[in-house]
Amino acid sequence: AQSVAQPEDQVNVAEGNPLTVKCTYSVSGNPYLFWYVQYPNRGLQFLLKYITGDNLVKGSYGFEAEFNKSQTSFHLKKPSALVSDSALYFCAVRASQGFKTIFGAGTRLFVKA
Amino acid sequence: GAGVSQSPSNKVTEKGKDVELRCDPISGHTALYWYRQSLGQGLEFLIYFQGNSAPDKSGLPSDRFSAERTGGSVSTLTIQRTQQEDSAVYLCASSIGQSGELFFGEGSRLTVL
Repeated sequence: AQSVAQPEDQVNVAEGNPLTVKCTYSVSGNPYLFWYVQYPNRGLQFLLKYITGDNLVKGSYGFEAEFNKSQTSFHLKKPSALVSDSALYFCAVRASQGFKTIFGAGTRLFVKA
Repeated sequence: GAGVSQSPSNKVTEKGKDVELRCDPISGHTALYWYRQSLGQGLEFLIYFQGNSAPDKSGLPSDRFSAERTGGSVSTLTIQRTQQEDSAVYLCASSIGQSGELFFGEGSRLTVL
């Protein structure tokens, strides 16, 4: 069965500092991995995805994520956090041979000015 | 429309009543998903449809929940004999292709009194 773990309920970072939001996954076969962001009272927005190829994936708003197969991780990163990055972030996994997409519990990012 | 459309946006009902939630996916998207999100928490997978294949109903929490997708487009999620614990935001998403990201609607907020 597929699963996603986001071990941190909340991540606090100062504006201008680098941020990391952690995600590990479990899936049979090769994974497709996704990050989404949810701003208050708004729908979920796609940030980036890993399908194949380069392990470092770049996405919207300056975010990037690194796929690590040996550690089954797909951590979200940004070199310099903005207050406007404060939101709820979700990691998701899908087996490459299927369509079922499972989300993690979410990590709330709080960026302090 | 250009995006995933869900209706109603808000629904208040009394315990024991049946409710229907509607999702109109992006035109041409073959996969359609339903998720449940309680109080800004994680996304709980309910069901997905892909093309003409049998739906994956593995996430439906009880036999009070059912969903159908007519003509490969619009989907309806039905909750019978609603309970207070059914109160949540029900999110619909659609995608194209096996590696495609999900596009989410704004959700239907269900409150069961």
